[in-house]
Amino acid sequence: GQQVMQIPQYQHVQEGEDFTTYCNSSTTLSNIQWYKQRPGGHPVFLIQLVKSGEVKKQKRLTFQFGEAKKNSSLHITATQTTDVGTYFCAPESGTYKYIFGTGTRLKVLA
Amino acid sequence: GAGVSQSPSNKVTEKGKDVELRCDPISGHTALYWYRQSLGQGLEFLIYFQGNSAPDKSGLPSDRFSAERTGGSVSTLTIQRTQQEDSAVYLCASSARGGLGYGYTFGSGTRLTVV
Repeated sequence: GQQVMQIPQYQHVQEGEDFTTYCNSSTTLSNIQWYKQRPGGHPVFLIQLVKSGEVKKQKRLTFQFGEAKKNSSLHITATQTTDVGTYFCAPESGTYKYIFGTGTRLKVLA
Repeated sequence: GAGVSQSPSNKVTEKGKDVELRCDPISGHTALYWYRQSLGQGLEFLIYFQGNSAPDKSGLPSDRFSAERTGGSVSTLTIQRTQQEDSAVYLCASSARGGLGYGYTFGSGTRLTVV
């Protein structure tokens, strides 16, 4: 079955440093979504990537989908304390069903 | 409603008792999902309803777990004979078009503690 790994599991950065989380799949993905979960909160949808090699930006966040559609990444430029939380990738696994990755927990030190 | 509503927000139950968790999705959303999140862990898929189709129950961990969705709207997740390992936050999500392009909208969850 489909296996999705996210690395790193944890990341502590100083405010202003960049951060990247990677999502790797053992199979080719049709599309992938990214979510953010603040401490004590629930996951919130950020973006969906569909095309091979796709790159999308949201302010300081850059999302990429690999050329082979087996991996994806989220990069945050110049982190802020508001970026704290856990970032999940969620590839589609079956029609309209998304399986969440293990998540990367980000802590930003002021 | 404006968002996905879950009740209760917290539930403490004794081992062996049955519990029912409720989810009220966003009006008009045809897809409804249940996930489970243990402390500090990722989201575990449980079950998925899409319109009038048969639900995808492939994530239910045992036959003690069941869910229904009445009238294509409200859903109830039932856990029978609860065990301590069932303690987790149960998250419900709904989406339009199966989440394609729009993602899921999650509720705030029900924190279940089995003592």
